[in-house]
Amino acid sequence: GDSVTQMEGPVTLSEEAFLTINCTYTATGYPSLFWYVQYPGEGLQLLLKATKADDKGSNKGFEATYRKETTSFHLEKGSVQVSDSAVYFCALSAAGIFGNEKLTFGTGTRLTIIP
Amino acid sequence: GAGVSQSPSNKVTEKGKDVELRCDPISGHTALYWYRQSLGQGLEFLIYFQGNSAPDKSGLPSDRFSAERTGGSVSTLTIQRTQQEDSAVYLCASIKRRTQETQYFGPGTRLLVL
Repeated sequence: GDSVTQMEGPVTLSEEAFLTINCTYTATGYPSLFWYVQYPGEGLQLLLKATKADDKGSNKGFEATYRKETTSFHLEKGSVQVSDSAVYFCALSAAGIFGNEKLTFGTGTRLTIIP
Repeated sequence: GAGVSQSPSNKVTEKGKDVELRCDPISGHTALYWYRQSLGQGLEFLIYFQGNSAPDKSGLPSDRFSAERTGGSVSTLTIQRTQQEDSAVYLCASIKRRTQETQYFGPGTRLLVL
């Protein structure tokens, strides 16, 4: 079945550091790839997505590129801020029965940014 | 607001009791998902509704779990004879269409079974 492997946390960085959170996937067919973020006390929010190979998703200074050859979708940000402290989830969706495009999530990476 | 809403936000119950969790999707969204977020299992799919089609129940962990969606809108997830391992955050998400669309999540219901 489909699966997502995500870099284990927690990750602690200083403000303005460079961030990479690794994500690789296994899927049949051509999945769409997502990064969701969960800020403290809040619900899951879509951060960015990519729907086909070589697409780059970007939002709030975060980027991730859909790499089919390495089955990866690593999240990067050039200069993190304290406000980026959250839990980040990599996820994929692929068409299933009855059009079910359920999300398959990684385990999540807790990111803490120190001023 | 126009987002997905869930109620209650928190629920504490005793082992063996039944609970009902409610989800109000975004108006006009045709598909609805339930997920569970627990310490041991992470985020996992439970059930999927699309319009008036039969739901995909393949993620439900046992026959104690059931869900319905009335009028293509509000959904209720019911857990019968709750067990301590049912303690988790239950998340609902809706999408406008089913093809490569973004799923919008509600704030979740935190369930604690004592």
